[in-house]
Amino acid sequence: EAEVAQSPRYKITEKSQAVAFWCDPISGHATLYWYRQILGQGPELLVQFQDESVVDDSQLPKDRFSAERLKGVDSTLKIQPAELGDSAMYLCASSPARNGYTFGSGTRLTVV
Amino acid sequence: AQSVTQLDSQVPVFEEAPVELRCNYSSSVSVYLFWYVQYPNQGLQLLLKYLSGSTLVESINGFEAEFNKSQTSFHLRKPSVHISDTAEYFCAVSDAAGNTGKLIFGQGTTLQVKP
Repeated sequence: EAEVAQSPRYKITEKSQAVAFWCDPISGHATLYWYRQILGQGPELLVQFQDESVVDDSQLPKDRFSAERLKGVDSTLKIQPAELGDSAMYLCASSPARNGYTFGSGTRLTVV
Repeated sequence: AQSVTQLDSQVPVFEEAPVELRCNYSSSVSVYLFWYVQYPNQGLQLLLKYLSGSTLVESINGFEAEFNKSQTSFHLRKPSVHISDTAEYFCAVSDAAGNTGKLIFGQGTTLQVKP
């Protein structure tokens, strides 16, 4: 069964450092999402791509977060500088359509 | 805009007992509805979804959910739970007429199945 690949699975970083997460969606899925899930809460959308274009980044803290999907395939989410409040699970998902998608296993970020 | 309310943060239940996880949503437009399950330190797995047609939808592992438009609810049920069903369950909604597929999630319900 096809999967959404994410790396790393776990990341510990110090406050004010830069950190990056990588996502490889299911082949052929044009839509890619990055969600952030704070412990004890439901996921919230950070950014959505359609191919290489950003469709929605209204909830992305653009002063410190950036996301790219240069060739419309894999994607990178970066945080610089990291803050304590950024500790969360970062989930990538991909979809061929609007009616449900596949999530990766996530990257658990801890900022110390 | 849509919102989702999961009415119980934790649901403890004994093995082989029935369970219901409650979900209510708010939306001014037609919606698609989803239930996802999350095991510790894992991503979310789609359990079942309502897009159109029959209001009762079923999963392969015995869960079912019923879309009730008048009550704006999409409660998840299972007649007999197993220890392996212990996990976090999330209800989610998306705009059926929109073109983004953005999901709005509830806060989650922890299902704790006891032996």
